[in-house]
Amino acid sequence: QVQLVQSGAEVKKPGASVKVSCKASGYTFSSYDINWVRQATGQGLEWMGWMNPNSGNTGYAQKFQGRVTMTRNTSMNTAYMELSSLKSEDTAVYYCTRELDREADDNWFDPWGQGTLVTVSS
Amino acid sequence: QSVLTQPPSASGTPGQRVTISCSGSSSNIGSNTVNWYQQLPGTAPKLLIYSNNQRPSGVPDRFSGSKSGTSASLAISGLQSEDEADYYCAPWDDSLNGWVFGGGTKLTVL
Repeated sequence: QVQLVQSGAEVKKPGASVKVSCKASGYTFSSYDINWVRQATGQGLEWMGWMNPNSGNTGYAQKFQGRVTMTRNTSMNTAYMELSSLKSEDTAVYYCTRELDREADDNWFDPWGQGTLVTVSS
Repeated sequence: QSVLTQPPSASGTPGQRVTISCSGSSSNIGSNTVNWYQQLPGTAPKLLIYSNNQRPSGVPDRFSGSKSGTSASLAISGLQSEDEADYYCAPWDDSLNGWVFGGGTKLTVL
């Protein structure tokens, strides 16, 4: 079955960077964009950006421009999200999710990874 | 603050019908389809409704979605205790050139 499995929880100090991985299985990794969405404790979902595993092209939410980098390793069917200059406000669960078809009129996210808790604390 | 407005909470008793609204604008709901995600406590979000009113395989027909103009709604009939969750609407936004999520609605089954 289609599955996204993320790396484990991280604890980082303010100013550091974190890199979260998302390993895909059960489908052709290069055929679907991977998006990243985060959720602070007790808060709603916040979209961060997308990455095309085939071309490596990316698109980031304005809020994260300059601080986020989304990459992939196609031989390992794995996507990565790196967030730099971490602040306490970046403490959240980070999710990867597969996007159906960016070029289609109808598009959605399915499935989602299990989430990775990133804690930023001095 | 989200560009989409959802009520922060909703509630109902078992068997009742509840609706959750999602209000947006011409750049998001008004020009793109709306998806709904269900997030059970302590778990990752799950696709519940796509393309305004379509149910993925495995989603009970108690769940239905609709869209009119710049607003969308999620209806749950025959409410069950396992429906207690947070619900999020999410369309693409042409002005922001990205996905947007509503603030989420916490559904409580009394």
